[in-house]
Amino acid sequence: DTEVTQTPKHLVMGMTNKKSLKCEQHMGHRAMYWYKQKAKKPPELMFVYSYEKLSINESVPSRFSPECPNSSLLNLHLHALQPEDSALYLCASSQVVSGASNQPQHFGDGTRLSIL
Amino acid sequence: SQKIEQNSEALNIQEGKTATLTCNYTNYSPAYLQWYRQDPGRGPVFLLLIRENEKEKRKERLKVTFDTTLKQSLFHITASQPADSATYLCALAFSGYSTLTFGKGTMLLVSP
Repeated sequence: DTEVTQTPKHLVMGMTNKKSLKCEQHMGHRAMYWYKQKAKKPPELMFVYSYEKLSINESVPSRFSPECPNSSLLNLHLHALQPEDSALYLCASSQVVSGASNQPQHFGDGTRLSIL
Repeated sequence: SQKIEQNSEALNIQEGKTATLTCNYTNYSPAYLQWYRQDPGRGPVFLLLIRENEKEKRKERLKVTFDTTLKQSLFHITASQPADSATYLCALAFSGYSTLTFGKGTMLLVSP
């Protein structure tokens, strides 16, 4: 079992639907991340939250909207997605933002998203 | 732009042998380098971290080396087991950037 919990594990939605992905960690980490991963590709960074504030948005389309309600929770709100958005969406956390402090990232097992 | 290269072909080895995976990068040397394991349908799991001023790190059957002259890291698994079969990702963190950049990963298959 991972220490980062993501729900749901699988999600199928139409292009006009609105849904949310959820991520939770109780390790006291102050940095949280959303990644998108396509089959046989590396994780691609989407967003970084540091101390509950959005610090990095990797030019992600506005149909993806992140939210960090508190230090343990991270949401990704989805609206009007395209078929090419089908992928595994991974959440990760670290004590502080990696790169500045040599911190490993702890990943959840992801949400497998399919857009019809 | 920075490029990270890992063997795209799967590495097939026999149980008990040492597996060696390669991570090469271009241009700037990272401040540190991490290795992760990813099983199908699961998130990556952190294995080892090595800093730019370190040559080698070990953890049980795992060993990582870091050569900034060759711009290369090697990841070794000794006495490999079928349970070691997975995709192994290297990830680099560069000075001035607060995020990790992942390589594409190498799939390791250990046969009994």
